[in-house]
Amino acid sequence: SQTIHQWPATLVQPVGSPLSLECTVEGTSNPNLYWYRQAAGRGLQLLFYSVGIGQISSEVPQNLSASRPQDRQFILSSKKLLLSDSGFYLCAWSDYTEAFFGQGTRLTVV
Amino acid sequence: KQEVTQIPAALSVPEGENLVLNCSFTDSAIYNLQWFRQDPGKGLTSLLLIQSSQREQTSGRLNASLDKSSGRSTLYIAASQPGDSATYLCAVFGGSNYKLTFGKGTLLTVNP
Repeated sequence: SQTIHQWPATLVQPVGSPLSLECTVEGTSNPNLYWYRQAAGRGLQLLFYSVGIGQISSEVPQNLSASRPQDRQFILSSKKLLLSDSGFYLCAWSDYTEAFFGQGTRLTVV
Repeated sequence: KQEVTQIPAALSVPEGENLVLNCSFTDSAIYNLQWFRQDPGKGLTSLLLIQSSQREQTSGRLNASLDKSSGRSTLYIAASQPGDSATYLCAVFGGSNYKLTFGKGTLLTVNP
């Protein structure tokens, strides 16, 4: 069966520090991969999605970037975090039909 | 650009009541529609998936319908329980760029 792993679960980082969140999928090949952010009291905002290795589409101009170095690995990064980057980050995969989510990373920038 | 709206934003009901959550979307060219549940501080759990060619799906006390032409879906919860308390999210999957677009959710509270 397919599973999705996302880590870490929680993270507290100072302003200006770098960020790296990782997401891996098992049990499927060539999945569509997504990064979402959920800010307090707001809906899910799509940040990046990828339909294949090295293929990244950005939805919102921001302080973040994404990479897909392997078929089932999706990484969210930042060189310098801002206070506004705080939120709940969710990774997801889909096979063009159904989507499945990781357990999320709670990022607090202080 | 696809936009998904969920009504109501919040709902509080006594235990045992049947209830309906509403979802509407602006672009009817979708592949499917998916309902999720999110508990506080947790990820999303898939509840029901409706393919674009289907009209409804059922799982236990949950029933979801889809009217693609009018851009609407409803999630019906029968005999609600306190354990059903959570945020329910509707998402549509479609378009040439395979995006999954979410509504802002309905916060459901079922009171014992």
